[in-house]
Amino acid sequence: GDSVTQMEGPVTLSEEAFLTINCTYTATGYPSLFWYVQYPGEGLQLLLKATKADDKGSNKGFEATYRKETTSFHLEKGSVQVSDSAVYFCALRNQAGTALIFGKGTTLSVSS
Amino acid sequence: DGGITQSPKYLFRKEGQNVTLSCEQNLNHDAMYWYRQDPGQGLRLIYYSQIVNDFQKGDIAEGYSVSREKKESFPLTVTSAQKNPTAFYLCASSARGGIEAFFGQGTRLTVV
Repeated sequence: GDSVTQMEGPVTLSEEAFLTINCTYTATGYPSLFWYVQYPGEGLQLLLKATKADDKGSNKGFEATYRKETTSFHLEKGSVQVSDSAVYFCALRNQAGTALIFGKGTTLSVSS
Repeated sequence: DGGITQSPKYLFRKEGQNVTLSCEQNLNHDAMYWYRQDPGQGLRLIYYSQIVNDFQKGDIAEGYSVSREKKESFPLTVTSAQKNPTAFYLCASSARGGIEAFFGQGTRLTVV
């Protein structure tokens, strides 16, 4: 079945460091891909998305590129801030549109 | 403001009691979802509904029940048959043909 695998955390960085969180997927056809962010005690917020191969999603300095050849959607940010500390989830929507499947989440902790 | 409202934010129940979690949306979305979140497990799908009066089981439906009598409401009942009900529960919705889901703020259920 369809699945998402993302790197395990926690990821601990200093402010202004470069961030990469790896995400790979298994799915038939052409799923849509997402990154969601969850701040402590809250629900999930959509961070960015990409709907077809080679699309780049971007928001708030975060970027991810839909790589069909490597089935990947890695999240990157050039300079993280303390306020970026949160849990990040990679997810896919299957081609039929019936399911939104999540990875296990990666906790990011940024210190000043 | 349009959005998804989950209530209550915190819920405590005694073991063996059924409990119902509320989820209401005013986004005019057709599809609604319930997820369960446990530490290190990511989000797991309990039930989803793509239209009023219809719903399907997700990956971990045992011990849960839902109804979808109105488009804007999708309550989840955690029954006494659910062996480990303490968790963070998230409700989400998406538009027909839409690919992204919007989440509520979650309900933290603690069974003592």
